[in-house]
Amino acid sequence: QSALTQPASVSGSPGQSITISCAGTSSDVGAYNHVSWYQQHPGKAPKLLIYDVSNRLSGVSNRFSGSRPVNTAYLTISELRPEDEADYYCTSKTSSSLYVFGSGTKVTVL
Amino acid sequence: QVQLVESGGGVVQPGRSLRLSCEASGFMFSVFAMHWVRQAPGKGLEWVALISYEGTKTYYADSVKGRFTISRDSSGNTLYLQMNSLRDDDTAVYYCARGESRMDVWGQGTTVTVSS
Repeated sequence: QSALTQPASVSGSPGQSITISCAGTSSDVGAYNHVSWYQQHPGKAPKLLIYDVSNRLSGVSNRFSGSRPVNTAYLTISELRPEDEADYYCTSKTSSSLYVFGSGTKVTVL
Repeated sequence: QVQLVESGGGVVQPGRSLRLSCEASGFMFSVFAMHWVRQAPGKGLEWVALISYEGTKTYYADSVKGRFTISRDSSGNTLYLQMNSLRDDDTAVYYCARGESRMDVWGQGTTVTVSS
């Protein structure tokens, strides 16, 4: 099970929008709607942001949105804020009913 | 409130065993599938194992298959991870998480260090 491919880092200025990609295959990201996104601040447990590709967990800011055109999923953070600086991970169910995480993306707010 | 609390971590020698626990509270544990996820120092998240809500189906990452066993005690609201034949690369913070396709509640993690 190879990790899904994410960019190592993405940066943006406050107020800007950024997009994080999560590249998979037709056996995982492209096969199921079970793609989720997590935010992790240093020393903390991960926090669910988006599930089933584009559904925002209750209480999560509408500045976070998800999409998945084919075999790559995307997380967009609009109106970037300093508190958005964190690591972000995608995950997907696979054709073997297993799960795989993305390699992780460090978001820096300039 | 809804909570998961892991325990059982520690320092263990290579080849030895350890059992992690994850105590659930504030929700109906028996209706949720549960995961174990780990994070090695300075590294990303790695999915480890999944157990169905009724405990009859289990799934494992290739890296732990045959060495780790996930189980649950719904009467005691507790999830377990039995880890045998531990290796240096099993050193990590281990998290339990609620839900199957969406891990919406996480514990604070318990640290396992495999070292001679």
